[in-house]
Amino acid sequence: DIVMTQSPDSLAVSLGERATINCKSSQSVLYSSKNNNYLAWYQQKPGQPPKLLIYWASTREPGVPDRFSGSGSGTDFTLTISSLQAEDVAVYYCHQYYSIPWTFGQGTQVEIK
Amino acid sequence: EVQLLQSGGGLEHPGGSLRLSCAASGFTFSNYAMNWVRQAPGKGLEWVSFITGGGGVTHYADSVKGRFTISRDNSNSILYLQMKTLRAEDTAVYFCAKCESNNGNDALDMWGQGTMVTVSS
Repeated sequence: DIVMTQSPDSLAVSLGERATINCKSSQSVLYSSKNNNYLAWYQQKPGQPPKLLIYWASTREPGVPDRFSGSGSGTDFTLTISSLQAEDVAVYYCHQYYSIPWTFGQGTQVEIK
Repeated sequence: EVQLLQSGGGLEHPGGSLRLSCAASGFTFSNYAMNWVRQAPGKGLEWVSFITGGGGVTHYADSVKGRFTISRDNSNSILYLQMKTLRAEDTAVYFCAKCESNNGNDALDMWGQGTMVTVSS
């Protein structure tokens, strides 16, 4: 199984400042022949289902604000919120869909400082 | 409106059975692979099961293999999860989730509202 490890477990950022979440996979999720990283990011607010933010590691889902961006390749990935807003308080998960069983990171709680 | 509406769940004793349903609307259900993902109280997300659009291919997490069965009724746009021999560790909120295509190796772009399953004596 591919193990997904996020860091940090939680972070507090001032409004308008940058938030950075890292995700590391135990093996590469890059499908070389398609040059695609099988990695997604989700946002989950309390009492709600997860919401897809980013797929293929860096493609923003339609309707997601452009302050959210994804980067990385192979085994190391980053989700960046360029200017944190109050509505961004949530838990964020990375997810590999390269191989079954699909696996998620443990989650990163983002709060306002 | 494009949505996944879940039903089922509730309280069951260890060893018992439950069936979850997920009714899709607003898109051509048979064109998309579907999944079940669960979240134990206060914990993270755990993928449970997958089924292709036509229903011919299924996959399961080791933790539920042999006890849970995923299926779908494309004529009525409904996804199911039949859960048997339930254990306390199956206690979680269960989400149905749609893949972005039929091939399965996709992000999950739409989620149901979730339904709570509690296994306790």
